[in-house]
Amino acid sequence: EPEVTQTPSHQVTQMGQEVILRCVPISNHLYFYWYRQILGQKVEFLVSFYNNEISEKSEIFDDQFSVERPDGSNFTLKIRSTKLEDSAMYFCASSEERVADTQYFGPGTRLTVL
Amino acid sequence: AQSVTQLGSHVSVSEGALVLLRCNYSSSVPPYLFWYVQYPNQGLQLLLKYTSAATLVKGINGFEAEFKKSETSFHLTKPSAHMSDAAEYFCAVKSGFNKFYFGSGTKLNVKP
Repeated sequence: EPEVTQTPSHQVTQMGQEVILRCVPISNHLYFYWYRQILGQKVEFLVSFYNNEISEKSEIFDDQFSVERPDGSNFTLKIRSTKLEDSAMYFCASSEERVADTQYFGPGTRLTVL
Repeated sequence: AQSVTQLGSHVSVSEGALVLLRCNYSSSVPPYLFWYVQYPNQGLQLLLKYTSAATLVKGINGFEAEFKKSETSFHLTKPSAHMSDAAEYFCAVKSGFNKFYFGSGTKLNVKP
């Protein structure tokens, strides 16, 4: 069964450094998402992406964040200058269609900012 | 703005007992509602979704949920809990073009 993959599984970085989290969505999917989950808290929507554009973003997704689909398979989340509070599990998801379609989630990347 | 409230961060049931996980939503438009399950160290997996068709929605692993507009609720139930149901469960509502709001989650513990 096709699945969403994410790399790395765990990323440790120093405060102020840039990080890029990578995701490979399911190949025929058209909609892509990033979520984060701070330890012990709820899953928070960050951004949705379609047709090489951001379609929705949350208040969390400020200028420090950016997303890109650099080729036909990868979908990346960049954090330009990490803060301690960026430490969280980051999940990528993809769906085939937009309207109430099933989102398939990757296993997540745990980001630790020191 | 849409939001989701899950009552009870931890629920404990005995194996074979009824599972009831509560979710209330607020939405200014007819909502799309979802329940997801998260097993330890894994991503989220869709259990079921409500998309304004039948109010009683059946999902995977024997779970179902009933949409009650008058109560703005979408509670998740399963008649008989299995040990393998122990996980964290998230209710979510879709907002706008493609934005999703999740509840704070309910950890289900199943006792033998």
